Amino acid sequence: AQKVTQAQTEISVVEKEDVTLDCVYETRDTTYYLFWYKQPPSGELVFLIRRNSFDEQNEISGRYSWNFQKSTSSFNFTITASQVVDSAVYFCALRGDYNQGGKLIFGQGTELSVKP
Amino acid sequence: EPEVTQTPSHQVTQMGQEVILRCVPISNHLYFYWYRQILGQKVEFLVSFYNNEISEKSEIFDDQFSVERPDGSNFTLKIRSTKLEDSAMYFCASSGWDRGRGREKLFFGSGTQLSVL
Repeated sequence: AQKVTQAQTEISVVEKEDVTLDCVYETRDTTYYLFWYKQPPSGELVFLIRRNSFDEQNEISGRYSWNFQKSTSSFNFTITASQVVDSAVYFCALRGDYNQGGKLIFGQGTELSVKP
Repeated sequence: EPEVTQTPSHQVTQMGQEVILRCVPISNHLYFYWYRQILGQKVEFLVSFYNNEISEKSEIFDDQFSVERPDGSNFTLKIRSTKLEDSAMYFCASSGWDRGRGREKLFFGSGTQLSVL
């Protein structure tokens, strides 16, 4: 069975602090895909990143970076120099080995609150 | 950037009534999905649809639910005899092959908030 665990329910930081959101996944597939989505208070799901299981290179996009560790089945997300606008719920998600069309399994989400 | 469009953004209904949530996926996409998010909880998969039929459904997607692609552009989720616990945000999504990136790309709509009173 596939599962995504985001152990941190809520995190509160002060602006400009760095913060890491943890994501641990379980799958028996050898090929799989990992995602992060941001859900601001307005409710929509904003795509942040997609990573396939064969690509363990860490990725950086501006203040965002992702650390994919296959050995520990983790795909952690770090925000550097956090800002108030980063306040949102962040979801990690997993998709199994489908050429196309597979469902996403979401974690419970981590609510990040960045205070000025 | 193309968009998945969902209407209405908010729907209020009385318990026991039928509701239809509407979605317009991206035009050249082949895979369509419905997800549900109860307030404060995670996003849950309901159903996927491909080639005019359901390709996968979750335990949540029981006989109360049905999906349809009535006219080749819209993708609808019907909930018969709504219950209080059906109150949630319902997200539509579609996916297709992005030739520029050489991989599949998934798009979510902005959701329909359903309130069952």
